Amino acid sequence: KAGVTQTPRYLIKTRGQQVTLSCSPISGHRSVSWYQQTPGQGLQFLFEYFSETQRNKGNFPGRFSGRQFSNSRSEMNVSTLELGDSALYLCASVRDRNTEAFFGQGTRLTVV
Amino acid sequence: AQTVTQSQPEMSVQEAETVTLSCTYDTSENNYYLFWYKQPPSRQMILVIRQEAYKQQNATENRFSVNFQKAAKSFSLKISDSQLGDTAMYFCAFMKPYTGNQFYFGTGTSLTVIP
Repeated sequence: KAGVTQTPRYLIKTRGQQVTLSCSPISGHRSVSWYQQTPGQGLQFLFEYFSETQRNKGNFPGRFSGRQFSNSRSEMNVSTLELGDSALYLCASVRDRNTEAFFGQGTRLTVV
Repeated sequence: AQTVTQSQPEMSVQEAETVTLSCTYDTSENNYYLFWYKQPPSRQMILVIRQEAYKQQNATENRFSVNFQKAAKSFSLKISDSQLGDTAMYFCAFMKPYTGNQFYFGTGTSLTVIP
């Protein structure tokens, strides 16, 4: 079966712009989580969506937002980009609670 | 709050040898889940092994096994017969049950397998 698909793989944006990243989970998986990975902070949880509802949220400013569609695909949006938002953004797809999470290959965002 | 600590930023091991990666965590929960994920240069996180806290038996997956010490809040990963393909970042992760699928990750250990 197809894995978790994240698009785009690479992105370069300018400070102040906004960006939208997409994540298509494995078919049948209703939970999608987003993580930010940076060398300094490691992997940090952004938010989780389940059946189009945000179920959990990490400690990130309101510039970071997300949503989930009826087909379980999820998008995350970052507005007013800052240099510190440069990171690898990973999404994880889970079928049921506390089972294995399958990760996408990530979107590498560079803010210049 | 849950914290996960990996105290070994980098490790190396000779091919075919055994290596152990350390992980400790802090939680007030009694039931939870622990994971080891591998992230090779391709960046894709891959599940290595999973342990449920209420199970006393240590999980094993082929060459990978864990030493789960619940009282000490320790969860180390042992890789036997190391292979070149094991070269990767390894992350220890914690998850609380029934709160959604939110992982708390350690800072990772970069493992290099030397031919």
